[in-house]
Amino acid sequence: NAGVTQTPKFQVLKTGQSMTLQCAQDMNHEYMSWYRQDPGMGLRLIHYSVGAGITDQGEVPNGYNVSRSTTEDFPLRLLSAAPSQTSVYFCASSWGLRGEQYFGPGTRLTVT
Amino acid sequence: ELKVEQNPLFLSMQEGKNYTIYCNYSTTSDRLYWYRQDPGKSLESLFVLLSNGAVKQEGRLMASLDTKARLSTLHITAAVHDLSATYFCAVQFYFGTGTSLTVIP
Repeated sequence: NAGVTQTPKFQVLKTGQSMTLQCAQDMNHEYMSWYRQDPGMGLRLIHYSVGAGITDQGEVPNGYNVSRSTTEDFPLRLLSAAPSQTSVYFCASSWGLRGEQYFGPGTRLTVT
Repeated sequence: ELKVEQNPLFLSMQEGKNYTIYCNYSTTSDRLYWYRQDPGKSLESLFVLLSNGAVKQEGRLMASLDTKARLSTLHITAAVHDLSATYFCAVQFYFGTGTSLTVIP
């Protein structure tokens, strides 16, 4: 039981490049979410999903896309990277919308 | 939009001392979570508080919830170095800014 996994662990992008951050969970959780963590700002919700085929925007969705084709996977796409997207990104999953969240190890992204 | 505020943001305390971290939130909720994050690591769940008056304890940490006051506290008793970390409270998808705790020998 791997829990929540994320790849890659580190990534450096140039401004304007696109990429996908991968997230997978093997706990059969319905709910999955993406956060970014910036110094002094805690975690901010980017997008979340309440099940396969259903996604919604969080607090800071601009510049990011998500899809949920399976229960297990919830990738986050950066469409055209900007320096303001330099951050640590965490994926999380939970049984219910208000349930305890299980976090992946994070992806540290730098955009130059 | 729900807002979650923590204080203090930074806390430096000596080993053996007691202290309390406060978490206020802006709208009604009957559950609240506390997470711990070590430097460079992910978040791990510490406590889930499910009702008004709920109290949970694990070792030197005790968390409580007052839903009427929209307030949760995380009390540290006789701090030890191993407790140095950042502590977050969260309601649904909304997190506080975290309290960075450093315990000094």
